[in-house]
Amino acid sequence: DGGITQSPKYLFRKEGQNVTLSCEQNLNHDAMYWYRQDPGQGLRLIYYSQIVNDFQKGDIAEGYSVSREKKESFPLTVTSAQKNPTAFYLCASSTREWTPFRSNEKLFFGSGTQLSVL
Amino acid sequence: DQQVKQNSPSLSVQEGRISILNCDYTNSMFDYFLWYKKYPAEGPTFLISISSIKDKNEDGRFTVFLNKSAKHLSLHIVPSQPGDSAVYFCAARGYNTNAGKSTFGDGTTLTVKP
Repeated sequence: DGGITQSPKYLFRKEGQNVTLSCEQNLNHDAMYWYRQDPGQGLRLIYYSQIVNDFQKGDIAEGYSVSREKKESFPLTVTSAQKNPTAFYLCASSTREWTPFRSNEKLFFGSGTQLSVL
Repeated sequence: DQQVKQNSPSLSVQEGRISILNCDYTNSMFDYFLWYKKYPAEGPTFLISISSIKDKNEDGRFTVFLNKSAKHLSLHIVPSQPGDSAVYFCAARGYNTNAGKSTFGDGTTLTVKP
């Protein structure tokens, strides 16, 4: 079954600690994304990657870092610099940006990771 | 300034009746609109979309209407079922924007009562 797997489902962070959220996809998608969702709010883009070894900052990248060493994997690290990390984190993927028929492009999401601060 | 607004945080309807979820946008460069459905503690799933060259798109019980002059779209669910109870996000993007850089609304929580 093709899809996106996020782990862990729940994660707790101590003060000053870095934590890494895993995201793996077997959809053969080039583009991958990380979003943050706070209660009652929409999705905000943290980082995205359109191709291996390349990634770009989204709207709220401060306090986060990512890597894209393999097409299938796009881990997100929440660093100690992120002062308000409690949120629901979603990973998503889509087909490559430069497809000629963009109108069919949609996102496929993982099931999310709930990060809380101890 | 929020470019995609879902002004109703919640909506409650009776099973079998119509559910109408609304979405307004301000950016005239948006020309592709999507609705995603999200259950608690799960990721959103794509529901239905519409391009700006159309004013209606239908898929089974779900229909999306687009009024470009009013910068307004709506999702109609007929008939509503208890399994439709979820958060619905409206998303919008421009023609040359990739899917992941869509702008999302804050969501509307739909509750369908048996």
